[in-house]
Amino acid sequence: GIQVEQSPPDLILQEGANSTLRCNFSDSVNNLQWFHQNPWGQLINLFYIPSGTKQNGRLSATTVATERYSLLYISSSQTTDSGVYFCAVVNSGYALNFGKGTSLLVTP
Amino acid sequence: NAGVTQTPKFRILKIGQSMTLQCTQDMNHNYMYWYRQDPGMGLKLIYYSVGAGITDKGEVPNGYNVSRSTTEDFPLRLELAAPSQTSVYFCASSLGGRLDNEQFFGPGTRLTVL
Repeated sequence: GIQVEQSPPDLILQEGANSTLRCNFSDSVNNLQWFHQNPWGQLINLFYIPSGTKQNGRLSATTVATERYSLLYISSSQTTDSGVYFCAVVNSGYALNFGKGTSLLVTP
Repeated sequence: NAGVTQTPKFRILKIGQSMTLQCTQDMNHNYMYWYRQDPGMGLKLIYYSVGAGITDKGEVPNGYNVSRSTTEDFPLRLELAAPSQTSVYFCASSLGGRLDNEQFFGPGTRLTVL
């Protein structure tokens, strides 16, 4: 099956810093989503982005499907950004294949 | 819209007991999914459904059953619970089709089997 690799696995930032999270995938995809899993375990949809670039406030994402990677940018990070960020893709069929996530801690 | 709702939020089962995890969506989505998340990992697909009366296995279906009698509901049944089924269970739904298949998740059910 398709492999999804996320980097870095862990990240500690001071409030106000910027960061870039990366997602590499091993095959072509029909669907790519970024999620934030908050400390209470909820999965929050950030972006549905099989290709192209999208922005939502301090967050933006870019997927280069031909080179099989996606990037999530977080600017001016806040403590509420802490949690785990997952990249998930659909290659064939319907299942989202999740990476192992990037665990982000933003300190005051 | 409430989106995707799940009950219960938490449950403790003894080995060998059975239970049903409930999932309901009010977005008129055709596709529904059950995933499980083990500690420190991403989610894995248990079962999915592309419409009422149609279900199919995902990556980790053993020990589970599903049914889809209505568009809104997609219950997951655990028979003969085992410690390996201790996990957080997420239900999700999507409109369906290749062009718009963004999946939306419920809040999860945390299950412990002792």
